[in-house]
Amino acid sequence: DSGVTQTPKHLITATGQRVTLRCSPRSGDLSVYWYQQSLDQGLQFLIHYYNGEERAKGNILERFSAQQFPDLHSELNLSSLELGDSALYFCASSVGLAGGAYEQYFGPGTRLTVT
Amino acid sequence: DAKTTQPNSMESNEEEPVHLPCNHSTISGTDYIHWYRQLPSQGPEYVIHGLTSNVNNRMASLAIAEDRKSSTLILHRATLRDAAVYYCTLRGETSGSRLTFGEGTQLTVNP
Repeated sequence: DSGVTQTPKHLITATGQRVTLRCSPRSGDLSVYWYQQSLDQGLQFLIHYYNGEERAKGNILERFSAQQFPDLHSELNLSSLELGDSALYFCASSVGLAGGAYEQYFGPGTRLTVT
Repeated sequence: DAKTTQPNSMESNEEEPVHLPCNHSTISGTDYIHWYRQLPSQGPEYVIHGLTSNVNNRMASLAIAEDRKSSTLILHRATLRDAAVYYCTLRGETSGSRLTFGEGTQLTVNP
């Protein structure tokens, strides 16, 4: 158990809909990262928040947005869903801000299926 | 982002050591070498990381070449539970906070 929790575990929804994925980082970790894993793209970095502020963006679509709340949990919002958004979404947390000294701990993921 | 190269797959027998190689010839001086693994149907799991010196922890050892252009993850005694995809990635000032995952090495452990 990494200490990172994600809800829900599974989500099935229809095209055009909007969903919210939730992540609670390990106790004491200020950084939260979101990754998407699909069969054709592999594991891809989406976005990073540190102590409530957005710090870096990766391959995140404009239809997707995220935020980190004062209690440090984070939510990833996916809207106008398309079939291609079906994937595993992982949240990770780390104690530090940037640089390579800190490891990331991943949650169990949310499997999103868009039908 | 600096690129890493790993073999697509490797095979080992249970109870034997496993050496998983990674090449990172474009590594910069501030890049740390990180290893993660992903078991089937699970999220990636942190294994080990280092900068210049070899590192040991309860899961594995990391041997870093003197010129830092390659590294080797060592599992001292493979178990069936070690069957996973192993990812070598670099994190530092140039890559920022993200982890960039390549294809990784699929490790098969034979009983």
